[in-house]
Amino acid sequence: DGGITQSPKYLFRKEGQNVTLSCEQNLNHDAMYWYRQDPGQGLRLIYYSQIVNDFQKGDIAEGYSVSREKKESFPLTVTSAQKNPTAFYLCASSRTLAGANTGELFFGEGSRLTVL
Amino acid sequence: DQQVKQNSPSLSVQEGRISILNCDYTNSMFDYFLWYKKYPAEGPTFLISISSIKDKNEDGRFTVFLNKSAKHLSLHIVPSQPGDSAVYFCAASVLGGALNFGKGTSLLVTP
Repeated sequence: DGGITQSPKYLFRKEGQNVTLSCEQNLNHDAMYWYRQDPGQGLRLIYYSQIVNDFQKGDIAEGYSVSREKKESFPLTVTSAQKNPTAFYLCASSRTLAGANTGELFFGEGSRLTVL
Repeated sequence: DQQVKQNSPSLSVQEGRISILNCDYTNSMFDYFLWYKKYPAEGPTFLISISSIKDKNEDGRFTVFLNKSAKHLSLHIVPSQPGDSAVYFCAASVLGGALNFGKGTSLLVTP
């Protein structure tokens, strides 16, 4: 089955620790994205990548880092510099960046990070 | 500053009636507009889209209307069904750019 897999689904972290969220897709999509959802805030773009070894900051990139060493993988690291890391994180992919414009943006099931 | 705004956080509609979800945007360069539907603890799923060259797009019970002069779009669901109860996100982008999402409107369809 083709799709996007995020892991872990739930993650707890102590303050001051870095944590990495995994996102893997087997849809052969070039573009991948990370969004953050907070109550009453909608989805805000953290980082996106149009192609392997390239990525761009979104609206709220501070305190986060990403890598895109393989087409199918786009891990997100939440660093200790992120002031309010507790949130629901969504990974998505599209065949191309432009493909997302016509609805070809597919989301994973999300990872809920809680900082204790 | 949020470029896509959904000013109604929630909406309640009776089964069988019309649901109208509204969305406003500030960036006149947006070319594409989409609606996504999200159930709790799941990722959003694509519902319907419209490009800026059109003013209406229909898919079954779902119709999206675009008013470029007012920078406003709306999603109509007719007839509404209990399974439509979800959070609906409006999104927009310029060609070649990433999607900008609104805050979402929670729709509740009551029997």
